[in-house]
Amino acid sequence: GDSVTQMEGPVTLSEEAFLTINCTYTATGYPSLFWYVQYPGEGLQLLLKATKADDKGSNKGFEATYRKETTSFHLEKGSVQVSDSAVYFCALQTLPSGAGSYQLTFGKGTKLSVIP
Amino acid sequence: GAGVSQSPSNKVTEKGKDVELRCDPISGHTALYWYRQSLGQGLEFLIYFQGNSAPDKSGLPSDRFSAERTGGSVSTLTIQRTQQEDSAVYLCASSPRLAGDPNNEQFFGPGTRLTVL
Repeated sequence: GDSVTQMEGPVTLSEEAFLTINCTYTATGYPSLFWYVQYPGEGLQLLLKATKADDKGSNKGFEATYRKETTSFHLEKGSVQVSDSAVYFCALQTLPSGAGSYQLTFGKGTKLSVIP
Repeated sequence: GAGVSQSPSNKVTEKGKDVELRCDPISGHTALYWYRQSLGQGLEFLIYFQGNSAPDKSGLPSDRFSAERTGGSVSTLTIQRTQQEDSAVYLCASSPRLAGDPNNEQFFGPGTRLTVL
C-alpha cells in the first residue's frame, strides 16, 4: 500500500537557519505530493503541493521538488523564522479507481521549533 | 467564507460510553473525509463521503466506528463503547471534488480532541 516516511523530530533551529525536512514515499501509480502544516492550536493547512515529476511547489518561502527517481519530496526553507514553528506533514494522494476516494496518506509529522 | 467547523472541540468520556462528533463542511463541497490523529499512529484516514455515493469505509478501525452524512452536508462520526485507544484528535476535511480533477485540495477543520478515561 501507499506510505510516506518523513524524518523524525523534533527539529530545533535558530532563527535564519536553513531547514530541510526529508520525505520519501511509496505509491502505486503517480501520486500528487503535499506538505501540510499545523500551527499550535490550529488545524491542518496546505503549505504546498506538486502533482507531477520535477514540479516544484512553493509557498511562504518553503519549497519542495517532486523527485520521481528518488521518490522524494523534501521540504526546504532558506531562512526560518520563529513563526515557522509548527508540525509539518508530508502526504500523498493517488488517483482512485472508479469512484474511490482521494484520501491522503500522511507521514507521522515533524515538529519544528525555531528559537530567536 | 466559513471554513470547516467541528464540534465539540474537546470531549472527555468514560470507557464504554458512546460519543458523537460533528463536522460541518464548507458549503458546496461534495466530498467529506474523516481522519484520526493519534500519537502512536499519526494521521489515519477513516471514512470518505462523496455526494450520494456509498461511503468508502475502508479506514474504519472497528465496527464500533460509524459515520453518516445527512443531506450531503453535515456529518456525524459515532464511536460506540469507547476504549482508551480511541483517544485521539478526530479531523474532518472537505473538498470540492471537481470531477476528473485529482488535485482538489482538502480543507481541514480544527478537530475534536477525544479523551477516553
